[in-house]
Amino acid sequence: QLQLQESGPGLVKPSETLSLICTVSGGPISSDISYWGWVRQSPGKGLEWIGSKFYNGNTYYNPSLKSRVTISVDTSKNQFSLRLTSLTAADTAIYYCARRLNVGHFDHWGQGTRVTVSS
Amino acid sequence: SYELTQPPSVSVSPGQTATITCSGHGLGRKFVHWYRQEPGRSPVLIIYEDKKRPSGIPDRFSGSISGDTATLTISGTQTEDEADYYCQAWDSVNAEVFGGGTKMTVL
Repeated sequence: QLQLQESGPGLVKPSETLSLICTVSGGPISSDISYWGWVRQSPGKGLEWIGSKFYNGNTYYNPSLKSRVTISVDTSKNQFSLRLTSLTAADTAIYYCARRLNVGHFDHWGQGTRVTVSS
Repeated sequence: SYELTQPPSVSVSPGQTATITCSGHGLGRKFVHWYRQEPGRSPVLIIYEDKKRPSGIPDRFSGSISGDTATLTISGTQTEDEADYYCQAWDSVNAEVFGGGTKMTVL
């Protein structure tokens, strides 16, 4: 059974950079049918897609976040990561990592990690 | 930017049928997926590719699409079906797009 687990700091300061890691277990990250993505949810709000990456190439980012986001994949550790720069309070959210199948849906999700941006 | 529009809330009585819509320009030419999110929990896929159910999802949940509107139908609604429901589709310009979510109340 595929499982995803987010890890990272719960509190970051404004203007700093957020780095989160998603560890994948129960299956290889180097899968030809999978994209690996990040989705966030601000308090009391809906789901917002951040970006998705194929293990050895194609990467897609939300146009509204593209200038601040980088998603990377580390096949040796079966992990993928999110880097979000120039943080503001508006980036306070629960961040989920998820697997997106080639056909378009997110079929496995991590439990989410809460990130607060505050000085 | 591409948008998917859902009603903010729906209410249904136990045992009745609930319908949640999701509309977007050209949605009929895309695959629509649906997620359920209980309070404090991660989203769970309940319908993919308009009408397919993942294993383990009861057949009370069904999906359909007509024109540019997709519909999630929950029959025989139970109190534990109280949750937020989101639709999602892929747009060639904006990539993944989620609807704003619908809070379903069973009372």
